[in-house]
Amino acid sequence: TQLLEQSPQFLSIQEGENLTVYCNSSSVFSSLQWYRQEPGEGPVLLVTVVTGGEVKKLKRLTFQFGDARKDSSLHITAAQPGDTGLYLCAGYQGGSEKLVFGKGTKLTVNP
Amino acid sequence: KAGVTQTPRYLIKTRGQQVTLSCSPISGHRSVSWYQQTPGQGLQFLFEYFSETQRNKGNFPGRFSGRQFSNSRSEMNVSTLELGDSALYLCASSPGQGLMNTEAFFGQGTRLTVV
Repeated sequence: TQLLEQSPQFLSIQEGENLTVYCNSSSVFSSLQWYRQEPGEGPVLLVTVVTGGEVKKLKRLTFQFGDARKDSSLHITAAQPGDTGLYLCAGYQGGSEKLVFGKGTKLTVNP
Repeated sequence: KAGVTQTPRYLIKTRGQQVTLSCSPISGHRSVSWYQQTPGQGLQFLFEYFSETQRNKGNFPGRFSGRQFSNSRSEMNVSTLELGDSALYLCASSPGQGLMNTEAFFGQGTRLTVV
């Protein structure tokens, strides 16, 4: 059983469209992180959300942490081909240093 | 400052062989975690080492093992390789001081193919 469920698994859109990807869990997390991974590279941290209900913006990317701290979403406005990649959510499990990941959303933005 | 370095980048092994992968963390980082990434299962946590001690462990068979040296460099070993072990193995380093919001810095990974 996956601790963090991400949806959709795949997303292919045209440049300029908006999109939202989701990360859900039945467990409460003290924080959730979002990473982006490009082919041939390791994941790179985009943002960490800590407080329930928190919204963070990174240029055209908006991240939200659910009030109950069990879910998070990533919204991209006016997607660009450079946004193409695998988007992963992650959280530290059970107060440990064990960082667990969802399976990711593979995003393709077509020019 | 230098990032996380994993060697080798690519590896081809035969079933039944064993393999050792290496990871050099960012200078000053004491925690090293290992992950297996496959298309079907995503990033699966293998284990985490801190100050030469295994602190956390994932649900992998005993064929998967690791260690960490006094300079924080880490190795992972897979014995009796199976076809299903073919994957991208990623190493991540962090300061490891128990801060739950800590960023994990990843290497580029080692692509292991078992034939």
